[in-house]
Amino acid sequence: GAGVSQTPSNKVTEKGKYVELRCDPISGHTALYWYRQSLGQGPEFLIYFQGTGAADDSGLPNDRFFAVRPEGSVSTLKIQRTERGDSAVYLCASSLGGGITSTDTQYFGPGTRLTVL
Amino acid sequence: DAKTTQPTSMDCAEGRAANLPCNHSTISGNEYVYWYRQIHSQGPQYIIHGLKNNETNEMASLIITEDRKSSTLILPHATLRDTAVYYCIVSYSNDYKLSFGAGTTVTVRA
Repeated sequence: GAGVSQTPSNKVTEKGKYVELRCDPISGHTALYWYRQSLGQGPEFLIYFQGTGAADDSGLPNDRFFAVRPEGSVSTLKIQRTERGDSAVYLCASSLGGGITSTDTQYFGPGTRLTVL
Repeated sequence: DAKTTQPTSMDCAEGRAANLPCNHSTISGNEYVYWYRQIHSQGPQYIIHGLKNNETNEMASLIITEDRKSSTLILPHATLRDTAVYYCIVSYSNDYKLSFGAGTTVTVRA
């Protein structure tokens, strides 16, 4: 079956521009997560959706970052006025329900590598 | 504050067992130990998790000490495809945030 997919795989933009990163979760997964991974570091949590609503956006670094999941499936991470420090790999994950339980493994996509020049 | 401590890197020989240590001396009674790995240019992949008892699945075994302050992930027969960064994560069962540290870079050599 299809796993989590993310598009684009690579995105190069200029400082100050707006970007959108897309995540297609595994079909039937109600929980969706965004993480950000800087070079040489582990992924850092950004936001968690349960269905259509953002249950926890405490990891978003500032108000330039926003994410939506209008129909409870595909999610888009939006970054306004990009800065060079936003350069990272943005990872999306999905799971059947909410939280880590014995049966609720997070499945990750390959990520989108964002480079802000 | 890091909840886990792992060696930065380790090498192992193809076909041999790889034993990856993790210290989690401040773990609480209800926190699980999870292991994920990340192969180059891919997203993290779940390996195994446990609370108190040792666990085994098709990928690996997890050995947790009796005091739960440390654990070891065992890859029984390492292959070149097991080369990856391995993350040890301590988390409550209902905590959806995975808190990754820097992990251990494991290189399997032929």
